[in-house]
Amino acid sequence: AQSVSQHNHHVILSEAASLELGCNYSYGGTVNLFWYVQYPGQHLQLLLKYFSGDPLVKGIKGFEAEFIKSKFSFNLRKPSVQWSDTAEYFCAVNTAGTASKLTFGTGTRLQVTL
Amino acid sequence: EAGVAQSPRYKIIEKRQSVAFWCNPISGHATLYWYQQILGQGPKLLIQFQNNGVVDDSQLPKDRFSAERLKGVDSTLKIQPAKLEDSAVYLCASSLDSAWTGGIFGQGTRLTVV
Repeated sequence: AQSVSQHNHHVILSEAASLELGCNYSYGGTVNLFWYVQYPGQHLQLLLKYFSGDPLVKGIKGFEAEFIKSKFSFNLRKPSVQWSDTAEYFCAVNTAGTASKLTFGTGTRLQVTL
Repeated sequence: EAGVAQSPRYKIIEKRQSVAFWCNPISGHATLYWYQQILGQGPKLLIQFQNNGVVDDSQLPKDRFSAERLKGVDSTLKIQPAKLEDSAVYLCASSLDSAWTGGIFGQGTRLTVV
């Protein structure tokens, strides 16, 4: 079974700082990778996803993630964070194919200060 | 586009009581999921429906949890009797078909068992 690790549990950044959130997964086969964001009081929203092709994926709100197969990683990045990026971020993975189970990491709480 | 609707938003019950949650997925979405998100953890899949049939319920504690999707649209998740460790947010999500390409999540029901 696959598993997902997010090593940063709580990150505090000042506005305009650069962001990188780590995500590592364990599974030897083909995977689909996702990053979700949950703003305070709101539902989980998809930020970006990787299925195949260019390993550098661009998502909404200026976020991007890079799939590095050799490192089993899918780190989330943003060059300059805003106060409105304060939220919880979840990495998730499922195995390629139909009806596969989506496995989430434990999440990283990002707090952006003014 | 209308989102995934869930009710109630909050529920507080005593242990050993029963509780039910309701989910109305995106119109036309064949696949419906129930996730449990315990504080400090990522969402964990409880059950997946394809239309009105169960695809995966391997992580559903069947001695106390049950779920149904009788007409392939709305779904209910029930806990009877509830335990303290059932305190969590229960998320419903839907997708167009069984291949997860991102899905749409509801806002969840926050259950507190006292």
